[in-house]
Amino acid sequence: GAVVSQHPSWVICKSGTSVKIECRSLDFQATTMFWYRQFPKQSLMLMATSNEGSKATYEQGVEKDKFLINHASLTLSTLTVTSAHPEDSSFYICSASIGQGRVSDTQYFGPGTRLTVL
Amino acid sequence: AQTVTQSQPEMSVQEAETVTLSCTYDTSESNYYLFWYKQPPSRQMILVIRQEAYKQQNATENRFSVNFQKAAKSFSLKISDSQLGDTAMYFCASTNNAGNMLTFGGGTRLMVKP
Repeated sequence: GAVVSQHPSWVICKSGTSVKIECRSLDFQATTMFWYRQFPKQSLMLMATSNEGSKATYEQGVEKDKFLINHASLTLSTLTVTSAHPEDSSFYICSASIGQGRVSDTQYFGPGTRLTVL
Repeated sequence: AQTVTQSQPEMSVQEAETVTLSCTYDTSESNYYLFWYKQPPSRQMILVIRQEAYKQQNATENRFSVNFQKAAKSFSLKISDSQLGDTAMYFCASTNNAGNMLTFGGGTRLMVKP
C-alpha cells in the first residue's frame, strides 16, 4: 500500500516550453502533497506544500508564478514548470501524506521526474 | 534556521557487518522530528526510520536503529548485518516545531561490498 506515482518519469523540452508533472496517490487519499527538487548529487529541497482544494504554500525563494501547483483532488497534484529554462533542469520529486499537512507526517515518495530543458 | 550536517559523504561496509552513519543538526525548536531516508539508484525515496524528539527511547526498525543524543543534537543511524540492497544514498532530515519545514542533510553514499 501507500504507492505514489509520477508522470512522466523523464521529460526533455525546449527552452520556453511549459511542462506539467503529475503526482498521484494510487491506493490512498492524500490530504497533503509536497514537491521537492533535487540537483545532481545533492540533497532534496522542499519547494512547496499543497493541500487539496487550497493554494499551495511555497518555500522562501521559490517562484510561485514559475512553479504552478494544483491539487485538485485527494489523489492528484500537478506541478507545472512555466516557460522552462535550462536552469530549471532538475529532478522533481513529490510525496503524499495522509496526515495534517505537516512534513513530520509520514510521507510516501513518488519515483521522481527528470526534467531536461535544452 | 535549521541545519542538518552529514559529515561522511561516502562510506563502505562489508556485507553482514555493521555501519554507523553520522548526522548532527542545529535547531532552536523545542519539539521536532528526525528522519533517515534511503535513496537507492532508482532514486525512489524510502523512509528508513523516524524519531520524535520528545521521546528519549531510540527508534528501531529491524536492522536499523538510531542513537539519538538530544543534548548533543546528534542522530546517527546504525545498520546491522548490512545487505547488498542497503547500497544507497542516505539522507538525515529534521522538521521544525510547526511541522511545515523539512530540512535534509547533504547525504551519505553507502556502498555495501560483497
